[in-house]
Amino acid sequence: GEDVEQSLFLSVREGDSSVINCTYTDSSSTYLYWYKQEPGAGLQLLTYIFSNMDMKQDQRLTVLLNKKDKHLSLRIADTQTGDSAIYFCAVTEGANNLFFGTGTRLTVIP
Amino acid sequence: DAGVIQSPRHEVTEMGQEVTLRCKPISGHNSLFWYRQTMMRGLELLIYFNNNVPIDDSGMPEDRFSAKMPNASFSTLKIQPSEPRDSAVYFCASRTGDTQYFGPGTRLTVL
Repeated sequence: GEDVEQSLFLSVREGDSSVINCTYTDSSSTYLYWYKQEPGAGLQLLTYIFSNMDMKQDQRLTVLLNKKDKHLSLRIADTQTGDSAIYFCAVTEGANNLFFGTGTRLTVIP
Repeated sequence: DAGVIQSPRHEVTEMGQEVTLRCKPISGHNSLFWYRQTMMRGLELLIYFNNNVPIDDSGMPEDRFSAKMPNASFSTLKIQPSEPRDSAVYFCASRTGDTQYFGPGTRLTVL
């Protein structure tokens, strides 16, 4: 199966940019996703990128995909305290399976 | 749309008891997924359905776990008998196109 890895923790100061990184092993992944999980809540889809794209921007969120290195990143500009959560990278394997990373806990320091 | 609905949100039971978790997918979504989240193992896919038919249940941990989808708007995940190691948050997700949308989860505690 797919192996998806993320660093476990990230701390940033309010107003700074956050960059959350993810590496994966299956180069045939079609879609790559970022989900956000707030305490006690389910996973909220933040954004996704199709594998033939290098970059996708959506307001404060920028997703970068390096297919050669199998590296995906999520940049959050002007990080706010409300952005504190766990962020999961997820990639598709085949038509249906979605593999998740371990999640990165982002802490925003006021 | 109300999103994916799961019930109960919290369940506390004793070892050996039967537990039934419920899920109502988003209307019009034809795929439904059950996941389990634990600190040790992260998010694991247990089983998924396409058009109410189970497609892949290889993630179901053992025979104590079973899932059904009697119609397009309802699915259950049953654990019988439950064990303390089943304690986790169980998520249901439904899919349209290539995107899965998750429910709020059921936090199960087996004492």
